Amino acid sequence: GAGVSQSPSNKVTEKGKDVELRCDPISGHTALYWYRQRLGQGLEFLIYFQGNSAPDKSGLPSDRFSAERTGESVSTLTIQRTQQEDSAVYLCASSLTAGEYEQYFGPGTRLTVT
Amino acid sequence: AQSVSQHNHHVILSEAASLELGCNYSYGGTVNLFWYVQYPGQHLQLLLKYFSGDPLVKGIKGFEAEFIKSKFSFNLRKPSVQWSDTAEYFCAVRGNNRLAFGKGNQVVVIP
Repeated sequence: GAGVSQSPSNKVTEKGKDVELRCDPISGHTALYWYRQRLGQGLEFLIYFQGNSAPDKSGLPSDRFSAERTGESVSTLTIQRTQQEDSAVYLCASSLTAGEYEQYFGPGTRLTVT
Repeated sequence: AQSVSQHNHHVILSEAASLELGCNYSYGGTVNLFWYVQYPGQHLQLLLKYFSGDPLVKGIKGFEAEFIKSKFSFNLRKPSVQWSDTAEYFCAVRGNNRLAFGKGNQVVVIP
């Protein structure tokens, strides 16, 4: 079946602009996760959803970052007033539910802030 | 909060050589441990995982990992690598419904 998809695959934006990144999880997966990978670093947890609620937003680096999810479907990560340090690959993952289940990752969105 | 350390970030070896990548974690709760692999141009995929039971876990493509609780380690091994094993390898520990990743090992296998 279809895996996790993300769009756009690449995004170049000017400093100060807002961006929206989209994630489509695997159908039937109720848990959805956002991670960020900056150059030379491991993946950093940002936020996860169980259904459309976000029990854990503690990984969001600043109030410029927000995310929402519609039902148990698409999620959007929004970064307002982008800064150069926001440049990274943003990865989305989904799992059957939060807990002891494998997370399946999407291809990521490479964000470059100029 | 949980954390993971991976050493030897860049590894270069010849085909048929043995590979071992170290992973040490820190987490006070019940650990679920993972190794993910990212082949060039592809997205992250699961190599193997440990939840409970036999501490020696076998994964895809001949990889295995051993969970040693007393050492807080989950090292990845493969007895004989192939050129197609060239990839970046990430160790991760799950706690509080999130994965904490190490910085990864970039492995290059020379034919």
